[in-house]
Amino acid sequence: ETGVTQSPTHLIKTRGQQVTLRCSSQSGHNTVSWYQQALGQGPQFIFQYYREEENGRGNFPPRFSGLQFPNYSSELNVNALELDDSALYLCASRAMEEAVEQFFGPGTRLTVL
Amino acid sequence: QQQVKQSPQSLIVQKGGISIINCAYENTAFDYFPWYQQFPGKGPALLIAIRPDVSEKKEGRFTISFNKSAKQFSLHIMDSQPGDSATYFCAAQEYGNKLVFGAGTILRVKS
Repeated sequence: ETGVTQSPTHLIKTRGQQVTLRCSSQSGHNTVSWYQQALGQGPQFIFQYYREEENGRGNFPPRFSGLQFPNYSSELNVNALELDDSALYLCASRAMEEAVEQFFGPGTRLTVL
Repeated sequence: QQQVKQSPQSLIVQKGGISIINCAYENTAFDYFPWYQQFPGKGPALLIAIRPDVSEKKEGRFTISFNKSAKQFSLHIMDSQPGDSATYFCAAQEYGNKLVFGAGTILRVKS
């Protein structure tokens, strides 16, 4: 059983650019959530996808968007990058109908210059 | 809006000692309270979790104490080891919804 994987590990972008981050959920998990973790802070919920539909969103602007694919993998897209978007982006997966435990991937470190 | 308040911000404990981290929440709809351990450059790892229908849960050296009436819960790490040095996050979740995290506690265990 493989855990949650994310790519890329690190990414450097400039202000105004767009970025796509990817997540493969743990085997058997149909729900994926994305979190933003700024340096020295706890993770903040961005949104959650269940069966390819967004079913919960945190206090993030529309330039943060996502997708979930039939194999339950997911993408986080961020448009018009701002300096404050620099953070560790975490993906978490779980089996919605079976358990509440969420398991996190290693994250993607995004730096916006 | 901080719905889960965590203290202390940092903690130094001698090897073999007890580490205690406290959290308080506001939303009475929360029904699941996990603790995560995070090492530098890594994602948070689920350590232990509790439901509000029990007052204590123990797994090895880690114990959660839960006080529903006070809306508080805490993590106790017994016989703390240098390998326990990490950042610990408490969190709370309303079924099917997002995790709300505390601000984190940086634990350092001195050998």
